[in-house]
Amino acid sequence: EVELVQSGAEVKEPGASVKISCKVSGYTRTDYYIHWVQQAPGKGLEWMGLINPEDGEVIYAEKFQGRVSITADTSADTAYVEVSSLRSEDTAVYYCATDPPGVDKFDYWGQGTLVTVSS
Amino acid sequence: SYELTQPPSVSVSPGQTASITCSGDKLGDKFVCWYQQRPGQSPVLVIFQDNYRPSGIPERFSGSNSGNTATLTISGTQAMDEADYYCQAWDTTDVGTNTVVFGGGTKLTVL
Repeated sequence: EVELVQSGAEVKEPGASVKISCKVSGYTRTDYYIHWVQQAPGKGLEWMGLINPEDGEVIYAEKFQGRVSITADTSADTAYVEVSSLRSEDTAVYYCATDPPGVDKFDYWGQGTLVTVSS
Repeated sequence: SYELTQPPSVSVSPGQTASITCSGDKLGDKFVCWYQQRPGQSPVLVIFQDNYRPSGIPERFSGSNSGNTATLTISGTQAMDEADYYCQAWDTTDVGTNTVVFGGGTKLTVL
């Protein structure tokens, strides 16, 4: 059974950084992308970027370029997203999702991590 | 940047057919996925590559994509289908980078 387990909720002050993890287990393929998706309260899904853990290739959505960093530790089957210079608009649930190359689908999702930015 | 447009809401009576549209420039030239998200839960893939259902997704879910519009159809809609639905596609930027786009989401109400 495939499972994506994300780290727990975070409360951060404006200007701080947050790093969220996503551990993948049970995936039958060794090659897959991991995507990160932001969902602000009451809003829709917004794609942040992806990483190919095998070669480290990262692609960011234009909106998140510069303030977001996506990394992966293949030895731990874990991906990370770090958001810096947090502001209130970054308050959201952040999801990771797997995507087998060539099929273009987000087939499994993590449970989501709520990040609250508040002073 | 590429945009996908969905109606904010769709209503359907139980047992009837619900259709949710997703519009984008030459969308028919791309593959479209659909995700269901119930309140407080993570999204779930219900359709990929325009019209394929993952295992475990009921047959009443189907999809199509042609021209500028993709459509998610739910036949014999049940109360449990009440949720937000998002379409998703890949876009290639001017510099050849592949990026992902989501539609704004459609709230399906079964009443």
